[in-house]
Amino acid sequence: GESVGLHLPTLSVQEGDNSIINCAYSNSASDYFIWYKQESGKGPQFIIDIRSNMDKRQGQRVTVLLNKTVKHLSLQIAATQPGDSAVYFCAEKREGAQKLVFGQGTRLTINP
Amino acid sequence: DGGITQSPKYLFRKEGQNVTLSCEQNLNHDAMYWYRQDPGQGLRLIYYSQIVNDFQKGDIAEGYSVSREKKESFPLTVTSAQKNPTAFYLCASSSGLSREQYFGPGTRLTVT
Repeated sequence: GESVGLHLPTLSVQEGDNSIINCAYSNSASDYFIWYKQESGKGPQFIIDIRSNMDKRQGQRVTVLLNKTVKHLSLQIAATQPGDSAVYFCAEKREGAQKLVFGQGTRLTINP
Repeated sequence: DGGITQSPKYLFRKEGQNVTLSCEQNLNHDAMYWYRQDPGQGLRLIYYSQIVNDFQKGDIAEGYSVSREKKESFPLTVTSAQKNPTAFYLCASSSGLSREQYFGPGTRLTVT
């Protein structure tokens, strides 16, 4: 959905644990979803994407799960490392639309 | 070295002045985009362009203008009509509207 407010949701995890970042989307007609990672002062970096005809996709140390029934998207990061500290955004593209809609973002903090 | 470049990284202007932000890509991408990001928030689409000499307004186009005279370049002008121009501006490109977008490093504009 659209960004709201000034306070990002925050997730703190221990180094080495798995992280799960969640995203709810609003439009059941969305057919393409992307996760981005943004480090402080930098542009977002593409992590992984998934199309609506799939419910799971794996990358290197990351997995994206899509639950169309409840319109929920999640990003799982295995064995979280200090370099994973960043803000993570989900984005959706609605079928027939020409643009991505970004969520508010979640700040992931890694505890040593 | 392929990628998207934005310049300058930091830009300071006085209120009432127009300012142009540069965005260049050598990825041979057809589509290019401009986003605005405010502290603690997601990305909001200003303008996008699918092909040379064509562009469309995004969600917050008022007070901004763009041009797309070359495939590689998509400059954004922040005009004096933009009520609250201080923000982090991000340029992105993609090989098509249904593909992942790749982002530049951003330009932080401060207007006083």
